Amino acid sequence: KQEVTQIPAALSVPEGENLVLNCSFTDSAIYNLQWFRQDPGKGLTSLLLIQSSQREQTSGRLNASLDKSSGRSTLYIAASQPGDSATYLCAVPYLSGGYNKLIFGAGTRLAVHP
Amino acid sequence: GAGVSQSPSNKVTEKGKDVELRCDPISGHTALYWYRQSLGQGLEFLIYFQGNSAPDKSGLPSDRFSAERTGGSVSTLTIQRTQQEDSAVYLCASSLYGQGDEQFFGPGTRLTVL
Repeated sequence: KQEVTQIPAALSVPEGENLVLNCSFTDSAIYNLQWFRQDPGKGLTSLLLIQSSQREQTSGRLNASLDKSSGRSTLYIAASQPGDSATYLCAVPYLSGGYNKLIFGAGTRLAVHP
Repeated sequence: GAGVSQSPSNKVTEKGKDVELRCDPISGHTALYWYRQSLGQGLEFLIYFQGNSAPDKSGLPSDRFSAERTGGSVSTLTIQRTQQEDSAVYLCASSLYGQGDEQFFGPGTRLTVL
């Protein structure tokens, strides 16, 4: 059974810091891994999808890396801004039913203060 | 283009009443998913549609929950005889093909059962 864990659960930093959010999964036979952002009271916004054959994926100030063998992914946020404050979730598709069920971590709640 | 839309955005109902939640996926997306987000359980998969059929209903918590999709587009999630433990945010997502491709989420429907 696939389980996804995110560390830390919460993070509060001053503006401008570079951040690393961690995601680990128990079954390394993943198809891909998706990082999402969720603002309070809102739905999920897809940030990055990294395929199992990729080592990393970049979008602007965001960089996601993937190490399948160790069951880990990290989301790196460069030069953090108050607008980055949100909950960040990682998810992997579960093999059952053809990878159509996303298994989510509990998220990292990020607060960036001016 | 338009993203995934859901209605209503908020729904307050009395215990024992039936509710219907609607999801409009991104045009052209063949796969549609329902998830539930509650404080105690995080994000949980409910059901997956490919076209109008639902090959994976494994996440539906009880027989009070049902869903349908018509015309390969709009989906309705119905909860009969609502209970207080049904209170949660219900999120819909769609993807182009299914089978592990990137899922795009709607803003969710917040359901409160009094």
